[in-house]
Amino acid sequence: GENVEQHPSTLSVQEGDSAVIKCTYSDSASNYFPWYKQELGKGPQLIIDIRSNVGEKKDQRIAVTLNKTAKHFSLHITETQPEDSAVYFCAARSMNTGFQKLVFGTGTRLLVSP
Amino acid sequence: SAVISQKPSRDICQRGTSLTIQCQVDSQVTMMFWYRQQPGQSLTLIATANQGSEATYESGFVIDKFPISRPNLTFSTLTVSNMSPEDSSIYLCSVLVPNPDEQYFGPGTRLTVT
Repeated sequence: GENVEQHPSTLSVQEGDSAVIKCTYSDSASNYFPWYKQELGKGPQLIIDIRSNVGEKKDQRIAVTLNKTAKHFSLHITETQPEDSAVYFCAARSMNTGFQKLVFGTGTRLLVSP
Repeated sequence: SAVISQKPSRDICQRGTSLTIQCQVDSQVTMMFWYRQQPGQSLTLIATANQGSEATYESGFVIDKFPISRPNLTFSTLTVSNMSPEDSSIYLCSVLVPNPDEQYFGPGTRLTVT
């Protein structure tokens, strides 16, 4: 089955810096890659996603890139702000799973210091 | 997108008892999911619940311990039966919104078993 690895597990940056979180996946049939932000005491929030027919997608300060050949995708946050502090999860969904299951990475705790 | 609510938001229960968690979504969806998130960990899928069919459980989760109901396209329940302290976790309801097949999460139910 699909396996998703996520790095780093923690990331500390200064406000205004950029942050990059990287994930790799194992199933070449995976075709959908969402990113979730989870603030303390809340459920995961979908912040951006990318599908296998696209190499990059941007939404204001966040962007996601996908390299299908290398089977990895990354989340880029520019001009970080303290409110970006949260745990971020990547996930992958394979066409091989009949019930459209998402497989999650282990999470990255991002801390943005003022 | 979808707006998902869960009840209760948190509970403290005694070992050996059962708790039923409710999930309500503001639109009709075919696929609903139940996840468990242990403290500081990633999300683990418990089961997929499609309306009109039996829930499909992931490896390590059984119907006797986590019975699920899915009576209509906007509602589902998860029961955690015969609880032990190891069941202390956050339980998350999630739905798949078609076109474009994005998955959204509820706020979670924080369960503590004493």
